[in-house]
Amino acid sequence: DSGVTQTPKHLITATGQRVTLRCSPRSGDLSVYWYQQSLDQGLQFLIQYYNGEERAKGNILERFSAQQFPDLHSELNLSSLELGDSALYFCASSVGGSPLHFGNGTRLTVT
Amino acid sequence: QQQVKQSPQSLIVQKGGISIINCAYENTAFDYFPWYQQFPGKGPALLIAIRPDVSEKKEGRFTISFNKSAKQFSLHIMDSQPGDSATYFCAAERGNKLVFGAGTILRVKS
Repeated sequence: DSGVTQTPKHLITATGQRVTLRCSPRSGDLSVYWYQQSLDQGLQFLIQYYNGEERAKGNILERFSAQQFPDLHSELNLSSLELGDSALYFCASSVGGSPLHFGNGTRLTVT
Repeated sequence: QQQVKQSPQSLIVQKGGISIINCAYENTAFDYFPWYQQFPGKGPALLIAIRPDVSEKKEGRFTISFNKSAKQFSLHIMDSQPGDSATYFCAAERGNKLVFGAGTILRVKS
């Protein structure tokens, strides 16, 4: 068990909808990272927060946004969902940089 | 743009054999090279990592070999076991961004 908690485990929604994925980092970790894993794109870095502030941005779509709250949990918001957004979304946490500790992911299915 | 190229896509090895997975990177600014192991339904978990000032690192049955001049690194799993069957990802880090390879599905036949 990595100590990183992601909810929900599964999410099924329709195109055009908006969903929120939640992540609780390991105790003591200040950094939270979001990754998208799909069959054709592998593990893609989306965004990183450190102690509440955005630290790095990857291939995150404008329809997606994230934030890290004062208690260090993070939420990834996905809006105007498309079929192609169906994927596994992983949250990872760390003290600062590597190594990253990953949660077990949220499987999003857009129908 | 694929910054880390991983091969093979899949690998079948007999129990007790050696599993070898290779990765090549392009950006010489990368300064940390971890390998992650992922089982079905789980997130990736750090297996072993190396920095470019070292050519080899061994932890139990797992060894990373690093060739800085060739910009290549590989994972060797000695005495492969059925429990090693998983997907393996190499990665390279620069700053706070970790770039992953496409993954290798390893199956160890008993």
